[in-house]
Amino acid sequence: DAGVTQSPTHLIKTRGQQVTLRCSPKSGHDTVSWYQQALGQGPQFIFQYYEEEERQRGNFPDRFSGHQFPNYSSELNVNALLLGDSALYLCASSLMGAEQYFGPGTRLTVT
Amino acid sequence: QKEVEQNSGPLSVPEGAIASLNCTYSDRVSQSFFWYRQYSGKSPELIMSIYSNGDKEDGRFTAQLNKASQYVSLLIRDSQPSDSATYLCAVRGNTGGFKTIFGAGTRLFVKA
Repeated sequence: DAGVTQSPTHLIKTRGQQVTLRCSPKSGHDTVSWYQQALGQGPQFIFQYYEEEERQRGNFPDRFSGHQFPNYSSELNVNALLLGDSALYLCASSLMGAEQYFGPGTRLTVT
Repeated sequence: QKEVEQNSGPLSVPEGAIASLNCTYSDRVSQSFFWYRQYSGKSPELIMSIYSNGDKEDGRFTAQLNKASQYVSLLIRDSQPSDSATYLCAVRGNTGGFKTIFGAGTRLFVKA
């Protein structure tokens, strides 16, 4: 049973660029949430997708956007990257928003 | 006041001892509570979920919830060096798609 997968594992971008991160949920899960985790902090909720719609959003600017596809996979897009966007980006999947299981994460470094 | 508060630690316990990790939350309508373990450089791993007042046991782990005191804890019995990690407390306000708020985590060291 495949767990949550994310790609890429690591990414280095320059300020002002745009980035797309990808996530495939655990088999049988229909809900995907994205989190940002800075060093030494807990994960911060960015948004959640269910039935291809953004169901709830955390305190992140519009530069952060996402999408969910019919197969439940999801993308996180970040535009106009800032140095402060450097973090571990985590995708978590669940069934109907219940217990969440995390993928391995994407480490984004903005220079 | 932070929405979910944890002592950052580090909490150091000897091998075989009981480790007690605590968490308080501010939103009284919170319904779902979770403990995650995160090893350095890895992603969080779900250990326990608890939804009603009282204790819930799973192997060496016991989660305790007291909604009146807005307090949730995790006990790890017979602590092992492999339990050394950061433990994250997470709280969700309602059922369904409402966002989950994480604490900053407590670092646990189990000394052999």
